[in-house]
Amino acid sequence: EPEVTQTPSHQVTQMGQEVILRCVPISNHLYFYWYRQILGQKVEFLVSFYNNEISEKSEIFDDQFSVERPDGSNFTLKIRSTKLEDSAMYFCASSIGTSGRNEQFFGPGTRLTVL
Amino acid sequence: AQSVTQLDSHVSVSEGTPVLLRCNYSSSYSPSLFWYVQHPNKGLQLLLKYTSAATLVKGINGFEAEFKKSETSFHLTKPSAHMSDAAEYFCVVSKGYNQGGKLIFGQGTELSVKP
Repeated sequence: EPEVTQTPSHQVTQMGQEVILRCVPISNHLYFYWYRQILGQKVEFLVSFYNNEISEKSEIFDDQFSVERPDGSNFTLKIRSTKLEDSAMYFCASSIGTSGRNEQFFGPGTRLTVL
Repeated sequence: AQSVTQLDSHVSVSEGTPVLLRCNYSSSYSPSLFWYVQHPNKGLQLLLKYTSAATLVKGINGFEAEFKKSETSFHLTKPSAHMSDAAEYFCVVSKGYNQGGKLIFGQGTELSVKP
């Protein structure tokens, strides 16, 4: 069964460093998403991406964040200068479409720890 | 705006007894509603979804949920709990058909199953 994969599973970085979180969505999906979950809090939407551009972003997704689909398979989330409060589990998801009938398939997550 | 409230942060049941995880939603659109499950160190897996068809929705692993518009509820049930059901469960709302893919998560309910 096709699945969304994410690497690395755990990333530890120093405050102020840049990190890139990587995701490989399901191959025939067209819509891609990042969510995050700070420990003890809700899963929060960050950004959606379609046709090589951002479709929607939350207020969390400020200038420190960027997304890219550098090739036909990868989807990345970059944090330019990490802060302590960026420590969270980051989930990538993909779907065929954006209608409510289209399930979003989630990856296992990357746990980011900022020291 | 949409929101989701899961009424219990933790539910504990004995194996073989019924499961009830409660969820209330708020939406200015005709919503799509989902239940996702997360097992430790795994991604989020879709259990079931409501997208304005039948109000009683059956999902995987014997789970089902009933959409009650008058009560703005979408509670998840299972007649008989199994040890493997122990996990975190998320009630999720999206805007609905062709309204965009952003998912809004509840706080999560941790289900424990005692032997």
